Amino acid sequence: SQTIHQWPATLVQPVGSPLSLECTVEGTSNPNLYWYRQAAGRGLQLLFYSVGIGQISSEVPQNLSASRPQDRQFILSSKKLLLSDSGFYLCASGQGNSGANVLTFGAGSRLTVL
Amino acid sequence: AQKVTQAQTEISVVEKEDVTLDCVYETRDTTYYLFWYKQPPSGELVFLIRRNSFDEQNEISGRYSWNFQKSTSSFNFTITASQVVDSAVYFCALCGSARQLTFGSGTQLTVLP
Repeated sequence: SQTIHQWPATLVQPVGSPLSLECTVEGTSNPNLYWYRQAAGRGLQLLFYSVGIGQISSEVPQNLSASRPQDRQFILSSKKLLLSDSGFYLCASGQGNSGANVLTFGAGSRLTVL
Repeated sequence: AQKVTQAQTEISVVEKEDVTLDCVYETRDTTYYLFWYKQPPSGELVFLIRRNSFDEQNEISGRYSWNFQKSTSSFNFTITASQVVDSAVYFCALCGSARQLTFGSGTQLTVLP
């Protein structure tokens, strides 16, 4: 079974500072990888997804970016954080391109921008 | 476009009560999948169930049961004899031809001892 590691678990950053959240996946190869954000109110918003190394699709225009330097590594970044970037960021992994695929989620990274 | 609505923002019940979490969806796809996930206080989402649009049979798994009705575009989740450990945020989600999950806004369930 898959295991997803996310770090850091908690992060407090000032406005305008850079961001790097990392996600690594164990127990599978060539997964589809996803970054979701859960803001206050609990709704989950898909930010980015990747079907392979170097392949990133963005769902929402914003000051965040994602990269996939290795098959099982997915990074969420920002050059300058905004207050509105605060939230709970979840990395998820799935297999294949079928809508039936079940996603496995990491434990999340909680970001507070001050 | 697809949409998932969980109208119940928060529900509180006393232990051993039954509770139903509502989920209503919108999609133009004829083939789609519906999911329920549980988010305990630890944060990670845990998969509970997946149904495809051609299978309207209700499903029971222990204290959990799901009622899928295409006629009303609903996929409701019932917990029987609730326990404190059931306290969590529950998400309903839909995946159609776009092959991306659309989540509802979640329902915070609190089970009081």
